[in-house]
This record gives sequence, structure tokens and C-alpha cells, in this order.
Amino acid sequence: GQNIDQPTEMTATEGAIVQINCTYQTSGFNGLFWYQQHAGEAPTFLSYNVLDGLEEKGRFSSFLSRSKGYSYLLLKELQMKDSASYLCAVMDSNYQLIWGAGTKLIIKP
Amino acid sequence: SQTIHQWPATLVQPVGSPLSLECTVEGTSNPNLYWYRQAAGRGLQLLFYSVGIGQISSEVPQNLSASRPQDRQFILSSKKLLLSDSGFYLCAWRTGTSDSDEQYFGPGTRLTVT
Repeated sequence: GQNIDQPTEMTATEGAIVQINCTYQTSGFNGLFWYQQHAGEAPTFLSYNVLDGLEEKGRFSSFLSRSKGYSYLLLKELQMKDSASYLCAVMDSNYQLIWGAGTKLIIKP
Repeated sequence: SQTIHQWPATLVQPVGSPLSLECTVEGTSNPNLYWYRQAAGRGLQLLFYSVGIGQISSEVPQNLSASRPQDRQFILSSKKLLLSDSGFYLCAWRTGTSDSDEQYFGPGTRLTVT
């Protein structure tokens, strides 16, 4: 079967750095996406990785290791507005997205 | 620029009643369209997707159906709602021309079946 695993919840302090991990087992791989979802709102796109390595985009970076079936989202200089759920999704061999349950990130002052 | 609309924003319906949720996309042609459901504290569950008018693929057998009567219109329906149909319904689109194309989501409809 297809499976995406993420921690359910994480807590971090404003101004700090946090790493949210995602491991996956899917039938095929055509890229991995990270989305941010604030409570009660729709998800918004953060990043896309298809090759191994680190993609940096401002305060957010995303890493992929295809051989390990592993990705992480790194958030630097945390701000209160970063409190949200972070969803990992993998595009499978049928070009459909398989979604993780999301990691709820709580930022404390 | 492209925008995606969903309505209604919230809906409370009794068990056994019908359902119709509408999604429209502006500013793009021939998008791939998706209906997802998100239960509280759960991941997104793909319900239906469409690559063109009248072309619907169902991912999960259930009492829901979808239709695409126009290029940029996607409708989710049910003849008789169940309690388990409660959730946050999200419509999304992507251009489908590249693997890296992200999906863009509408604002969602929060459905409560009582």
C-alpha cells in the first residue's frame, strides 16, 4: 500500500528553527510537495522536490532523499504566523498526489 | 491571474438529504480538477478528479458523485448524505502540463451532516 508518515504535532519557539520530517512508501515517485494549511483554510503550496538535495526558498527549505524515501521541511527564524499544519504529499506513478495527515506546528513566544 | 471559487462556504444538512457543491476556476483553460475531503485531523482524501469535460475518475467508492458539465466547472453531489460525509471539502486545479505543477485549492466547504 501507499503510505506517508509525518509527526502529528510539533512545538517550537519564535525565532528558532524547526525540521518537519516526512517518510513515504508509494507506487512510483514523480515528486514531493509541501503545503501549509492554516486552521480552517485551504492548503497553500510551499515547495516541490523531484531530485535529491536541498531546495531553499527564503525562510523555508525542503530536502529530499529518494533512496531513503525521506524528506524534510526546514523552517528558520520562526514567526507566530508559521503556526499551521504542514502537509507532505507525494505524486505517484499515476500522477496523483498521496497526502500525509499533516504536522501541526505550534509556535510559542 | 487564476482564481478558484467554491460555494457554499459552510453547510449543515440532515442525514438523507441531497448535496450539491460547486467549484469554478477562472483564468485558465482545460485544467485538471480535483475534489478532496479532509476529516478533522486527517490527511486529504482524493474523491474525484477530471482531466476534461465529462471525464470523471472516482478514487473512493461511496455515495458521492461528480460531474464536469463545463471546462472550468466541477460539481460534487450526493442523493442521500450519511453522517460520515461530514468534513471539509476542497476543490483544486492544476494545469497538468508539468509534473512540478502544484495544485491550487479553493477556499473549501465545511459540511456538517446532522
